[in-house]
Amino acid sequence: GAVVSQHPSRVICKSGTSVKIECRSLDFQATTMFWYRQFPKQSLMLMATSNEGSKATYEQGVEKDKFLINHASLTLSTLTVTSAHPEDSSFYICSAKNAYISYNEQFFGPGTRLTVL
Amino acid sequence: GNSVTQMEGPVTLSEEAFLTINCTYTATGYPSLFWYVQYPGEGLQLLLKATKADDKGSNKGFEATYRKETTSFHLEKGSVQVSDSAVYFCALTLSGGYQKVTFGTGTKLQVIP
Repeated sequence: GAVVSQHPSRVICKSGTSVKIECRSLDFQATTMFWYRQFPKQSLMLMATSNEGSKATYEQGVEKDKFLINHASLTLSTLTVTSAHPEDSSFYICSAKNAYISYNEQFFGPGTRLTVL
Repeated sequence: GNSVTQMEGPVTLSEEAFLTINCTYTATGYPSLFWYVQYPGEGLQLLLKATKADDKGSNKGFEATYRKETTSFHLEKGSVQVSDSAVYFCALTLSGGYQKVTFGTGTKLQVIP
């Protein structure tokens, strides 16, 4: 139980294009979803927190217009990297949480490797 | 604010050696503590957790004890295997549905045959 998937697992795109990454909770309803970014050999950096049906809360320094987050249902959140540039290349990981299943635990997806040429 | 400090790596051990990865934390309130493992090219997997003082989390031969008096949650394993080679993250979260996870910087473990 408590499985989170991400799609795609890898994506390569040209500079200036937009890329959408999906995060799904497969067997539970996620009241909250989180998006993280991980640079090579570094820890995870929280980008934003999203609650179903409401606007995402972005961490300081994260561009809202650059990284669009939508949490339209209790099982799906999407991260769209708009007008991607090579510096956006990174490993993006989502996590999902349901306080009724496991109060303090987040369940992580397998990550999406984005490469912008 | 909340923070997690873990020992810098990389840590290189021979197979069957004893492993300790130190982790200390600061937190406002009463955190839950976690160890996550990340294998190359993959996402994070929960290794073990502890939700209150003196709890011991254990899984796959790894264990860690929540020490409130020393604000620590050190990861240990008595005999490591090559397959344990990965990056290990110590993390904490506070109570509440929307509380985010605070991660340590990660410790890379390499086990050589």
